Amino acid sequence: QVQLQESGPGLVKPSETLSLTCAISGGSITSSYWNWIRQPPGKGLEWIGCVYYSGRTYYNPALKSRVTISADTSKNQFSLKLTSVTAADTAVYYCARFLGPYTNWFDPWGQGTLVTVSS
Amino acid sequence: QSVLTQPPSASGTPGQGVTISCSGSSSNIGSNTVNWYQQLPGTAPKVLIYSNNQRPSGVPDRFSGSKSGTSASLAISGLQSEDEADYYCSAWDDSLNGHVVFGGGTKLTVL
Repeated sequence: QVQLQESGPGLVKPSETLSLTCAISGGSITSSYWNWIRQPPGKGLEWIGCVYYSGRTYYNPALKSRVTISADTSKNQFSLKLTSVTAADTAVYYCARFLGPYTNWFDPWGQGTLVTVSS
Repeated sequence: QSVLTQPPSASGTPGQGVTISCSGSSSNIGSNTVNWYQQLPGTAPKVLIYSNNQRPSGVPDRFSGSKSGTSASLAISGLQSEDEADYYCSAWDDSLNGHVVFGGGTKLTVL
C-alpha cells in the first residue's frame, strides 16, 4: 500500500523559505492528487494545497501568495515551498493523498514533521 | 476561524452514544461530500468516514456519518475509551477556484 514520508529542515528562520519533500512508496505519483496539510501546536488542521503529477495545483486562498507545491515524477515525490515564514507558520506538516477534488478524503497520511520558525 | 463549524468539545460515558456536528455553507457542504477524520494523541489523522457516510475497511460500524443541506454529523454509538480523540470534518469548497476546508475540530472525552 502507499506510504508517505515527509523530510526537510526542522528549524527555519523568520522571513526565509520553508521547504519540505514527501516521498511516495508503494504507489505512483501519477495516480492521485498529493496534498500538504499543517497543524500548529495544539490547534486544528489547515489544508495548504495539492498537486497533480501534470502540475495542476489547487491552493488555500489564504496561503496562495506564499505557497508553491510541485511534483517530481522522476523521483516519485512532491514538494512544498512556503516563503516569508513567520512564527505563525510553526506547525506539524503532513503530506497526504486524495484521488481528486471531488473524491477528496485524505488517505494515507505521512507521519508528519514539525517545523519551527525561530531565529 | 475555520470555514466549517464544529463544537470544540463533546463527551459521553462508555456505552453511550454521541453526535458531533459540522456546519458549513452552500459552497462546501451544501454542494459537496463530507469526510471525517479521527486524530489520536500524537498521531496523524485517519479517515473515519468519507463521502458523507462511507466507512473505510477496518472502521467499526459504531461510527456513522450523515449530511443534510449545509450540515453534517458524525455519530458514535457504544462509546469506548479508545474513542477519546480529536475529530475533524472536511469538504471541498467550490469558491475561489476550489479548495479544501476543515472544521476546527472536536475534542471527544470519554468520561
